[in-house]
Amino acid sequence: AQSVTQLDSHVSVSEGTPVLLRCNYSSSYSPSLFWYVQHPNKGLQLLLKYTSAATLVKGINGFEAEFKKSETSFHLTKPSAHMSDAAEYFCVVSDPGGYQKVTFGTGTKLQVIP
Amino acid sequence: ETGVTQSPTHLIKTRGQQVTLRCSSQSGHNTVSWYQQALGQGPQFIFQYYREEENGRGNFPPRFSGLQFPNYSSELNVNALELDDSALYLCASSSGLAGGSTDTQYFGPGTRLTVL
Repeated sequence: AQSVTQLDSHVSVSEGTPVLLRCNYSSSYSPSLFWYVQHPNKGLQLLLKYTSAATLVKGINGFEAEFKKSETSFHLTKPSAHMSDAAEYFCVVSDPGGYQKVTFGTGTKLQVIP
Repeated sequence: ETGVTQSPTHLIKTRGQQVTLRCSSQSGHNTVSWYQQALGQGPQFIFQYYREEENGRGNFPPRFSGLQFPNYSSELNVNALELDDSALYLCASSSGLAGGSTDTQYFGPGTRLTVL
C-alpha cells in the first residue's frame, strides 16, 4: 500500500526567504513522486516529478525537490519565496500497477508575508 | 493544445438526487481519472478510465459510476446523493500506457458540488 504524509499543514515565510515543504512517502515499489500546486479556485498544476532518474528534480517557477530513498522523503524547496507562490501544495505518490494509482497528501498551505 | 475542461463549474443538488459531471480530456490523452476533494483535504482517487474501460477504482461505493466515450471525454455519475458528497470533483487526463505511474496527469478546474 502506498501513502504520503505532508508534515506541515501550514507554512509561513517572508518574501525573499527560502521555502521548505516537507513530504514523506511509503511505497512497496519504486514509486513516482510529484508535487502539484493549487491556487484558489484554480485546478492543480504540476510543479515537478521524480521518475527514478536524477534524484534532484527541478521544476517550474524555481522549485526543486530531492528524492531521498533512505529517508523516504521528497521535500520541496525554493531559494526565495515570491508573493505569487502563496497557494496549497500537494505531494503525490504513484505506484506502478495495472492502472495509475495515485495518492495525494493532505496538502500544505503556503503563506508568503510581504 | 486544448487543456482539460469540466462542466458545470458549480452545481447544487438535494440529498437523494442524481448528478452527472462532465470532463473533456486534453487532446491526445486516452486516460481519464476522477478525484473527490473535500474541503481542506487532498484529492481522493475515485476511478480511472482507459480507452473506454474502467481500469482502476478507489474506495468509493458503486453509486459512483462513470463512462468514457470514444473521443476520450468522460462522465462521472453519482446516484442517491448524500450530504458528504459535497466536494470539488476533479478530472485529470494523461497519455501513454495504462498503468504508467510516470505519466503526468493534467487537471481540469473542477466542479464544485453542493448537496443540501
